[in-house]
Amino acid sequence: AQSVTQLGSHVSVSEGALVLLRCNYSSSVPPYLFWYVQYPNQGLQLLLKYTSAATLVKGINGFEAEFKKSETSFHLTKPSAHMSDAAEYFCAVRSSFGNEKLTFGTGTRLTIIP
Amino acid sequence: GAVVSQHPSRVICKSGTSVKIECRSLDFQATTMFWYRQFPKQSLMLMATSNEGSKATYEQGVEKDKFLINHASLTLSTLTVTSAHPEDSSFYICSASTVNTGELFFGEGSRLTVL
Repeated sequence: AQSVTQLGSHVSVSEGALVLLRCNYSSSVPPYLFWYVQYPNQGLQLLLKYTSAATLVKGINGFEAEFKKSETSFHLTKPSAHMSDAAEYFCAVRSSFGNEKLTFGTGTRLTIIP
Repeated sequence: GAVVSQHPSRVICKSGTSVKIECRSLDFQATTMFWYRQFPKQSLMLMATSNEGSKATYEQGVEKDKFLINHASLTLSTLTVTSAHPEDSSFYICSASTVNTGELFFGEGSRLTVL
């Protein structure tokens, strides 16, 4: 079985500060890992994904994440927060072996302080 | 990227009625579609996996007769909430998987309110 754990249901950072959203995964097979962003009353938008290629993955809106197998982590970062980054962020895991089902973490609400 | 559209985006209905939500892949064919339910300030919970031309596979604890899923074509899946009750009020999101790459794309979600 696969699972992801997002540490911190709420994260607040000042505008211009580093954003760090934590995600740890558990998987018995090589995982595919994803970060999605959700704005209020909207669906999910893919930020980035790890599919066993480069361990440092760059996504949209200046976000990136690093896959660390030794730490079973896939933390999301952005060097400088912008007000428009305020949203809910979900980490998700999927088996790399043809199973398309995603398992989501509980989400982290990011608040940007002006 | 590919577009997945859900309709309606918001629906309010009376208790006891049935509501149908459509999920369409607008510019690609989707062999597999997924239906999720999201409670306020919570994560997405997978309800069922829908494959074109076959019966949906429901997750444990999801009532098949309550949440009817039909995937009649490669571009359309529908979720019908039958005999809706206030506890069925939720945000329902679909996603579709492309035939070629298996990449998932999400719809905008449909908010159901049952009075």
